Amino acid sequence: DIQMTQSPSSLSASVGDRVTITCQASQDISNYLNWYQQKPGKAPKLLIYDASNLETGVPSRFSGSGSGTDFTFTISSLQPEDIATYYCQQYDNLPQYTFGQGTKLEIK
Amino acid sequence: EVQLVESGGGLVQPGGSLRLSCAASGFTFSSYEMNWVRQAPGKGLEWVSYISSSGSTIYYADSVKGRFTISRDNAKNSLYLQMNSLRAEDTAVYYCARDPGAGRFDYWGQGTLVTVSS
Repeated sequence: DIQMTQSPSSLSASVGDRVTITCQASQDISNYLNWYQQKPGKAPKLLIYDASNLETGVPSRFSGSGSGTDFTFTISSLQPEDIATYYCQQYDNLPQYTFGQGTKLEIK
Repeated sequence: EVQLVESGGGLVQPGGSLRLSCAASGFTFSSYEMNWVRQAPGKGLEWVSYISSSGSTIYYADSVKGRFTISRDNAKNSLYLQMNSLRAEDTAVYYCARDPGAGRFDYWGQGTLVTVSS
């Protein structure tokens, strides 16, 4: 099975900061990588699909990059409403989808 | 507006059974693949099961294989998860999620809580 290692597990940053989260796959998954945002008590929300494509309606301060085994998720200028937990998810290894363990983002 | 509404969660004893439902509206349900994803209290997301748009292809996570059964009724715009031989570690919020056929979950329900405890 493909393992997804996300880092850091938690992160504290100030409003306006550039924030970066990484996700590493245990084997090559091409660009089959998605990113989700989950706010407390809410369902996850798709932000980025196929590693770098912004889902419709998602603010442009969110972006993703990478291919193969190493991926990056970036918030260019952190806003208070971005406080959430972020997850990566691979879909290369069907029939098993795998999520990263999550990164909890807090405001400093 | 796309809506997914789960129901059927609750408290069940270890070894018991429960059937979850997900009612879909606002899109052509029969054209979309669907999934169940769960989240144990305070933990991360875990994919549980997948079903193709026609219901002909089904996948399960190793953790539930042989105990859970996914199904759908396209005439009723509904997705189901039959959960048998439940264990304490199955305690979680269960979400249904739409899959536009590209391995991503673009719409999610609000979730239904399943608690397995004596």
